[in-house]
Amino acid sequence: NAGVTQTPKFQVLKTGQSMTLQCAQDMNHNSMYWYRQDPGMGLRLIYYSASEGTTDKGEVPNGYNVSRLNKREFSLRLESAAPSQTSVYFCASSPEAGGANEKLFFGSGTQLSVL
Amino acid sequence: EDQVTQSPEALRLQEGESSSLNCSYTVSGLRGLFWYRQDPGKGPEFLFTLYSAGEEKEKERLKATLTKKESFLHITAPKPEDSATYLCSTGANFNKFYFGSGTKLNVKP
Repeated sequence: NAGVTQTPKFQVLKTGQSMTLQCAQDMNHNSMYWYRQDPGMGLRLIYYSASEGTTDKGEVPNGYNVSRLNKREFSLRLESAAPSQTSVYFCASSPEAGGANEKLFFGSGTQLSVL
Repeated sequence: EDQVTQSPEALRLQEGESSSLNCSYTVSGLRGLFWYRQDPGKGPEFLFTLYSAGEEKEKERLKATLTKKESFLHITAPKPEDSATYLCSTGANFNKFYFGSGTKLNVKP
């Protein structure tokens, strides 16, 4: 069972470079999320997608864009990377929003360093 | 402002020494209190969901409880394999989950 798959696992960028983090889930979940995790600050929501075709901003959306390509895939793009975006990025999915089965399934993360 | 606070930040226990982790929250329209376990280099893994004050859930050596303002994760007779970071999260405002910064638990044999 693959669950939530993120690529790449590690990435080093120079300031100003762009890149896209890929995420795919094979659990037929409606909702997908992008979080960043920084020491001492916990997980912070960047963007989420409640369902295919919709995306919304989370707590820290500045400097990021997302695309919900289809029900399975949700990508996160950094257009012009900054050192402040050095973090560990997690993609997550949830079977339903607000229902009894509402819980997050996480990928294994992408460790991003911006020099 | 919606906020989730976990304490302590770190906890060191001897194997068999029971203790509790705390999660306090100020979230409007609480839609569930979630506990996750995170091992180094991995994504968080779901443990429990609690929906109403007084509710309790158990899994092996872990028991989660919920009041109107906080949740506790009780660890009974922990083993070294229970060492991990434990994250608390609240569901509120449709589709938004707020996380605390976690408690890093280290259980020594």
